[in-house]
Amino acid sequence: DAKTTQPPSMDCAEGRAANLPCNHSTISGNEYVYWYRQIHSQGPQYIIHGLKNNETNEMASLIITEDRKSSTLILPHATLRDTAVYYCIVNSGNTPLVFGKGTRLSVIA
Amino acid sequence: DSGVTQTPKHLITATGQRVTLRCSPRSGDLSVYWYQQSLDQGLQFLIHYYNGEERAKGNILERFSAQQFPDLHSELNLSSLELGDSALYFCASSKMGGRASTEAFFGQGTRLTVV
Repeated sequence: DAKTTQPPSMDCAEGRAANLPCNHSTISGNEYVYWYRQIHSQGPQYIIHGLKNNETNEMASLIITEDRKSSTLILPHATLRDTAVYYCIVNSGNTPLVFGKGTRLSVIA
Repeated sequence: DSGVTQTPKHLITATGQRVTLRCSPRSGDLSVYWYQQSLDQGLQFLIHYYNGEERAKGNILERFSAQQFPDLHSELNLSSLELGDSALYFCASSKMGGRASTEAFFGQGTRLTVV
């Protein structure tokens, strides 16, 4: 699976949009971009995934660049409960997820 | 609630002992994955079972073993425990289908403390 690069940490003001970037320049055509988050020692939580089109669900939006080499997870109105480590994972869907270090997002009141 | 159930939630045991962690996947999910997360460490993939068969192994020690039963629940057995085995152990399940992407759902984990 392709490797991803994420900033180690980010801050976001409560109520503002949180934009979390991810680089995956070696992504293959059959690989999806997945986003998970882990809130303080809880089990990781699936957020969203996409192949090449932008995706939106009740939690977040996923914007994938046209060349698919990078993506951005958008939490439209961050709350304190969104403070977590966010993982961007590239995966074909047929192999186990490999977690990197992720981005630690701190939402500040 | 992810629908994945792990028991027990907490486990304290002595070095040298053996423990069994249990995972019940979401209804209809055929794949079960086990992960280990040590203090301040990332999630390390241990092993993957699909419909009763081992599919992939990650950084799993020889002292550790797992199996998936006909009812699809899975158990992770940890033996000859060492202090360094203290960690959170997570189980995840997914449908894992062919070419289709499938998200994985994680349980709340078992916190193992070896003293």
